[in-house]
Amino acid sequence: DTEVTQTPKHLVMGMTNKKSLKCEQHMGHRAMYWYKQKAKKPPELMFVYSYEKLSINESVPSRFSPECPNSSLLNLHLHALQPEDSALYLCASSQERSGSLNEQFFGPGTRLTVL
Amino acid sequence: AQSVAQPEDQVNVAEGNPLTVKCTYSVSGNPYLFWYVQYPNRGLQFLLKYITGDNLVKGSYGFEAEFNKSQTSFHLKKPSALVSDSALYFCAVGGYSSASKIIFGSGTRLSIRP
Repeated sequence: DTEVTQTPKHLVMGMTNKKSLKCEQHMGHRAMYWYKQKAKKPPELMFVYSYEKLSINESVPSRFSPECPNSSLLNLHLHALQPEDSALYLCASSQERSGSLNEQFFGPGTRLTVL
Repeated sequence: AQSVAQPEDQVNVAEGNPLTVKCTYSVSGNPYLFWYVQYPNRGLQFLLKYITGDNLVKGSYGFEAEFNKSQTSFHLKKPSALVSDSALYFCAVGGYSSASKIIFGSGTRLSIRP
């Protein structure tokens, strides 16, 4: 299985809602990532998990809360979002190997709209 | 600090002609370089990477990239373009000490006309 899956594909939420984005991979990768992508722009890194531990937080507002329950799953909990948070949220995973930087495999993304 | 530049927002090529999508980079130490492609409303797909070794790297879908250390470039190439190659292409760079973090270029939209 060489696929990263993300659910839901689309999400519309109000500014007072709480929702979660889910990501799953079964490639045995021990690094997992959340990116935010605005239209026609490159992905912006939000969080990196390495061996289920948060290793990078790119100064993301606390209304975004990541969680890595196990080596195959990655969640992004959303609360009190703003309309400017509307974007495509991409999950990715990669092998974690000391002394090397490996290619990332991306999921199809969740298209989030905040009203 | 590491950075990557894609100087062209858009590249237009006729089907069957060779294509080049440009990328230059800046990183401390030896670079890790990647090309990804993104089709509309989809995630990114990995095309190829350079770590060490041969300067010409072959990847998926007939794409290749040439690493040039003196010019700090990693241009993506294909000998004969297909209409289905039309998409958004991102170059990305990481360094040994980047702790799994890579930086994406601004992207180049490739349009192949029949």
